[in-house]
Amino acid sequence: AQSVTQLDSQVPVFEEAPVELRCNYSSSVSVYLFWYVQYPNQGLQLLLKYLSGSTLVKSINGFEAEFNKSQTSFHLRKPSVHISDTAEYFCAVSDLNTDKLIFGTGTRLQVFP
Amino acid sequence: GAGVSQSPSNKVTEKGKDVELRCDPISGHTALYWYRQSLGQGLEFLIYFQGNSAPDKSGLPSDRFSAERTGGSVSTLTIQRTQQEDSAVYLCASSLEGTAWVPYEQYFGPGTRLTVT
Repeated sequence: AQSVTQLDSQVPVFEEAPVELRCNYSSSVSVYLFWYVQYPNQGLQLLLKYLSGSTLVKSINGFEAEFNKSQTSFHLRKPSVHISDTAEYFCAVSDLNTDKLIFGTGTRLQVFP
Repeated sequence: GAGVSQSPSNKVTEKGKDVELRCDPISGHTALYWYRQSLGQGLEFLIYFQGNSAPDKSGLPSDRFSAERTGGSVSTLTIQRTQQEDSAVYLCASSLEGTAWVPYEQYFGPGTRLTVT
C-alpha cells in the first residue's frame, strides 16, 4: 500500500525567507507525485507534479520540488516566500495503475510580515 | 469554462439521518473522484468512477456510504444513518481519463461541509 508522510503540520516563516515543506512517500511500485495547495476558503489546486523525466519540477509562482527516488522524497521549496503563499499544502501520490490520489496530512504554511 | 460544482455547500443534519451530496464534473471529464477532508484524517480517497468501468470503492469507510454516477456525468454520494464522525468536507474532483503514462490533472470542487449534530 502507498502512503505519504508530511512531517511538519505547521511551518511559520517570515516574508522573503526560504522555506522547505517535506514530503516522503512509501510505495512498492513507481509513482507519480503531486503538490496541491489550498488557499484560505478556496478549493484544492494543483501546484506542480512529477511524472517522469527531469527530477526537478517548477511551478509558475516560484515553487519547486525535487523527486529523490533513493530517499523516497518530494520536498517542496521556495527561495523567498510571500504573504500570499500562506495556505495549506498537500503532497500526494498516485500509482501507475490507478489515478486515485493518496494524500499526506498537509502542511500549513503561515507567512508573517 | 465552468469548473467542478458541488451542492449543497453546507449541510447540517441530525445523527441518524440520510444525506445526499451532489457533484457536477467538468463537461467532458470521464473520471470522477470523491474525497473526504476531516480534522485529524487529512484528505482520504473514497471512491473513483472511470468511464464505463466498475467504480473503485476501496476507500469507502463503511457500508453506510454509497455513490452513483448517472449517465457518466453527475454523481451523488449518499451517507445513510449519519454519525458524528461523518462530519467533514466532502470533495469531488474530475479529470480526463488518464493512461498509465499520462495521468490527467484532477480538478477539485469547492466541497460540501457536512456537520452531523
